[in-house]
Amino acid sequence: GQNIDQPTEMTATEGAIVQINCTYQTSGFNGLFWYQQHAGEAPTFLSYNVLDGLEEKGRFSSFLSRSKGYSYLLLKELQMKDSASYLCAVRDSNYQLIWGAGTKLIIKP
Amino acid sequence: IAGITQAPTSQILAAGRRMTLRCTQDMRHNAMYWYRQDLGLGLRLIHYSNTAGTTGKGEVPDGYSVSRANTDDFPLTLASAVPSQTSVYFCASSASGGGPDEQFFGPGTRLTVL
Repeated sequence: GQNIDQPTEMTATEGAIVQINCTYQTSGFNGLFWYQQHAGEAPTFLSYNVLDGLEEKGRFSSFLSRSKGYSYLLLKELQMKDSASYLCAVRDSNYQLIWGAGTKLIIKP
Repeated sequence: IAGITQAPTSQILAAGRRMTLRCTQDMRHNAMYWYRQDLGLGLRLIHYSNTAGTTGKGEVPDGYSVSRANTDDFPLTLASAVPSQTSVYFCASSASGGGPDEQFFGPGTRLTVL
């Protein structure tokens, strides 16, 4: 079966750095996405990785290792508005997204 | 309209009733999707459409049907609602079904079936 694993919840301090991990086992791989979802709202796109390595976009970076079936999202200089759920999704061999359950990130002052 | 709209925002429905959730996008995207999101579970794909006139089944299609008569609209119908269909439903679209194209999501419909 297909599986995406992420920690259920993480807590971090405002101004700090946090890394959210995602491991996956899917039938085929055609890219990995990270989305942010604030409570009661729709998911919004953060990043896309298809090749191994680090993609940096402002305070957010995403890393991919296809051989290990592993990705992480790195958030720097945390702000209170970063409190949200972070969703990892893999596009499989049928070009459909398989989603993890999401990691709820709590930022404390 | 800017992006994707969904209607209604929320709905309480008696079991056995028929219900259509509406979704409209104005981005001229080819691909559209319907997901349900339940607590503790990832988004699960119900149905999708890669282009107008075609549809496909996702991970959890039973009890749901869709149509794609044109590029902009992608309604989801529950023929006879059951309590297990209580969920938040998101419609999404993307320029195509592959590559780096991100999916854009509508605001969601919160459906309760009693």
